[in-house]
Amino acid sequence: QVQLVQSGVEVKKPGASVKVSCKASGYTFTSYYIHWVRQAPGQGLEWMGKINPSGGGTGYAQKFQGRVTITRDTSTSTVYMELSSLRSEDTAVYYCGRGGHSYYETPHHWGQGTLVTVSS
Amino acid sequence: QSVLTQPPSASGTPGQRVTISCSGSSSNIGSNYVYWYQQLPGTAPKLLIYSNNQRPSGVPDRFSGSKSGTSASLAISGLRSEDEADYYCAAWDDNLSGPVFGGGTKLTVL
Repeated sequence: QVQLVQSGVEVKKPGASVKVSCKASGYTFTSYYIHWVRQAPGQGLEWMGKINPSGGGTGYAQKFQGRVTITRDTSTSTVYMELSSLRSEDTAVYYCGRGGHSYYETPHHWGQGTLVTVSS
Repeated sequence: QSVLTQPPSASGTPGQRVTISCSGSSSNIGSNYVYWYQQLPGTAPKLLIYSNNQRPSGVPDRFSGSKSGTSASLAISGLRSEDEADYYCAAWDDNLSGPVFGGGTKLTVL
């Protein structure tokens, strides 16, 4: 079965960077896009960006352009999301999600989420 | 401010049928499929409906989705206490080249 397992809780100071991992299993890693979506406390879901694990091509929401970088390691079927210049408003649960068969699909399967807390 | 618009809350009694609406625009719902997610407290979203009205295996047929123009709705029939959760609609947005989400609807089973 499809599984996405994310790395653990992170606590960072303002101005620092965080790198969250998402290890995929149960399917052909290079066949489906991986998306990153975040959820601030008590808030809704917000799309950050995506990666095509096959060629490594990425796309980012304009809000995060220049601060977010999504990469992948095909040898370990792992996708990484790095967010820099952290501020308190970046405190959120960060989810990775696997897309469907079509490019135009929202995530079908989700990781368990990684809580990132930004605090001085 | 979410791109898709949902009511913040909905409620019903056990056995009732409830519907949750989702409104978008021509760049998202109007030209792409709609998806619905259920999120229980402290857990990741779970896909309930994809491609407007399709259920993944394991999702009860009490859940159904529909779309018309730039709006969509999720219907839950035979409401149960375990349906109490947050529900989000989503769709691909051609301008963003990524998914957009509704703000979520908190469903309370009275």
